[in-house]
Amino acid sequence: KAGVTQTPRYLIKTRGQQVTLSCSPISGHRSVSWYQQTPGQGLQFLFEYFSETQRNKGNFPGRFSGRQFSNSRSEMNVSTLELGDSALYLCASSPGQGENTGELFFGEGSRLTVL
Amino acid sequence: DAKTTQPTSMDCAEGRAANLPCNHSTISGNEYVYWYRQIHSQGPQYIIHGLKNNETNEMASLIITEDRKSSTLILPHATLRDTAVYYCIVRVWRGSGTYKYIFGTGTRLKVLA
Repeated sequence: KAGVTQTPRYLIKTRGQQVTLSCSPISGHRSVSWYQQTPGQGLQFLFEYFSETQRNKGNFPGRFSGRQFSNSRSEMNVSTLELGDSALYLCASSPGQGENTGELFFGEGSRLTVL
Repeated sequence: DAKTTQPTSMDCAEGRAANLPCNHSTISGNEYVYWYRQIHSQGPQYIIHGLKNNETNEMASLIITEDRKSSTLILPHATLRDTAVYYCIVRVWRGSGTYKYIFGTGTRLKVLA
C-alpha cells in the first residue's frame, strides 16, 4: 500500500507570494489533516478534512486555507506569504471514522522557505 | 485543551532501556495518549497508544499511571536507529466523531554507542 505522498518536497517563495501544497492520502483513507512544524513552535495543527468537509481547524490566520477533493486528495494554500511561514508542512491521513487505532500516517512533508 | 510536558532531551546507552516520561496532568477521562517519533525531518511515525492500561507492541511499551496524569514510553533495547524526537500526544475528543491531536514539544533521544 502506497504511503502518504506530499508534493512538492521543497520550495522557495518570496514574501507576498502564495503557495499551494498537495497531499495524497493512503488509499481508502478519508481524513486528511495538516500540521505546521517550526523549530520554535513545534508541531501545530492547521486543519482536518473528511469527505471534502473541514471538520477541525487550528488557530491560524485566514491566509491558511485548504480543501479536499472527492478522491480524498487535499491541498493547502497559504496566501500573502510572510517570513514566519517558513516551515515543514506535514500532511497526515487516517480512515477518519469508526473504531480504529486513531493512528495518523504522515507524509515526508513539504519544506517551505520564504525569503 | 490537554497539554503534555516532556523533557527536552535524553541520552541512552545502546542496548539499554530508554524510558521517556510525559506529563499530561490535565487529561480527561476519554482522551488517549499517543506516542510518535520523528527521525530527522521525516514525517512522524506512530509508536503506540493507550487509555488506561499498560500497552506493549513490537516497538515499545507504554506505562500509564493509575491517575492517568503521566505516562512513560519504554524502548526495551535502544539501538542507534532509535535516535529521534519522541512526541507524547493527547487525542482530544471534539464531538461528532472528530478528534484533535495535541502535540507536545518532544524529547530528543540520543542513543550512544
